[in-house]
Amino acid sequence: DQQVKQNSPSLSVQEGRISILNCDYTNSMFDYFLWYKKYPAEGPTFLISISSIKDKNEDGRFTVFLNKSAKHLSLHIVPSQPGDSAVYFCAASGYNQGGKLIFGQGTELSVKP
Amino acid sequence: KAGVTQTPRYLIKTRGQQVTLSCSPISGHRSVSWYQQTPGQGLQFLFEYFSETQRNKGNFPGRFSGRQFSNSRSEMNVSTLELGDSALYLCASSSRGPSTDTQYFGPGTRLTVL
Repeated sequence: DQQVKQNSPSLSVQEGRISILNCDYTNSMFDYFLWYKKYPAEGPTFLISISSIKDKNEDGRFTVFLNKSAKHLSLHIVPSQPGDSAVYFCAASGYNQGGKLIFGQGTELSVKP
Repeated sequence: KAGVTQTPRYLIKTRGQQVTLSCSPISGHRSVSWYQQTPGQGLQFLFEYFSETQRNKGNFPGRFSGRQFSNSRSEMNVSTLELGDSALYLCASSSRGPSTDTQYFGPGTRLTVL
């Protein structure tokens, strides 16, 4: 039973355009959500997070939107740059999750010059 | 501040052997979590330690164990290695725990079991 799902395994975007990565979750007890970026053979790098009391959080080119009623979050990258090419994981946690992050399967973003 | 460090970065073992991986968290962080990443299963939670106590454990067999020292450094041990244990093992630290604080990951240890 996958509680966090990233239904798009890959996404290709032109440099300068917007990249939108999506994530759905099933557990209504999740209250903290994060996005990580990962290059091969490296650990995930934290990008941005959002608490369930908010519906939007912005940090530079990265914005995360949370729609609690739809149990859906998205990461917007504007403008996309070739250096953004990596695998993006969304993760969720909650007070009843016993101190663990539940990760989605990841979306591989390719930003073409 | 230095980031999370993991040693060794790469390891090759044979079936039946055991292995110990080490993780040093960010200074001041008391929570250390371990994850296994494989192509088929993605990132899966192994366990979390806080102040030398295991607070939470994922769904892995008892061959996987860990501990945390008083300086918050952590080790994980895998005994009787199987081919399926080949994976990238990631350690992450946070100040109070993943439920409340952002976890920061180390570069991982790539374990290959032959």
